[in-house]
Amino acid sequence: EVQLVQSGAEVKKPGESLKISCKGSGYSFTSYWIGWVRQMPGKGLEWMGIIYPGDSDTRYSPSFQGQVTISADKSISTAYLQWSSLKASDTAMYYCARPVDTAMVGYAFDIWGQGTMVTVSS
Amino acid sequence: EIVLTQSPATLSLSPGERATLSCRASQSVSSYLAWYQQKPGQAPRLLIYDASNRATGIPARFSGSGSGTDFTLTISSLEPEDFAVYYCQQRSNWPPLFGQGTRLEIK
Repeated sequence: EVQLVQSGAEVKKPGESLKISCKGSGYSFTSYWIGWVRQMPGKGLEWMGIIYPGDSDTRYSPSFQGQVTISADKSISTAYLQWSSLKASDTAMYYCARPVDTAMVGYAFDIWGQGTMVTVSS
Repeated sequence: EIVLTQSPATLSLSPGERATLSCRASQSVSSYLAWYQQKPGQAPRLLIYDASNRATGIPARFSGSGSGTDFTLTISSLEPEDFAVYYCQQRSNWPPLFGQGTRLEIK
């Protein structure tokens, strides 16, 4: 079964760092882009960025460039999303997702992780 | 960047009725438009990609049409499980952003 399994919920304080993960299984992890999508409480979907685990080619939405870092470790089929200094406004559900086709760059995500809720509060 | 505007913001219909949801792009996206469904507490589910291609396992009552700047998601006869929020997404221009969503609610 093709699936993405994300790390568990996190509660952090402003200024702290954080790295959440997304582990792929059931397919060739290095052949598909993996994207990250933010959903703030009660709001819509926001496209953050993507990575190609095969060569670590990474692209960001301008809105998130410099705010987060996306990485991957292909040896353990895992992608990451990290923050160096969290803000209260980073409170959201974060999803990783894989597109329907190897050629789909950050689009038409048909496999989704279960989401990781990040809460940032003092 | 291309802005996707979905309408209406909320659509109130009854089971068995036909639903028509719209997604308009600020400039042409050719046929590079996808539709997703999201239910409360769940990850989104891909319904349609490249305007009219149904994703694996998606029932035939869901169909997509359009090209250029105007796109439509049609649900031919609403089932109780179809009441959810629907999003469109484009891949013609970078970044491949989402629309703001349409909430389909039970009347």
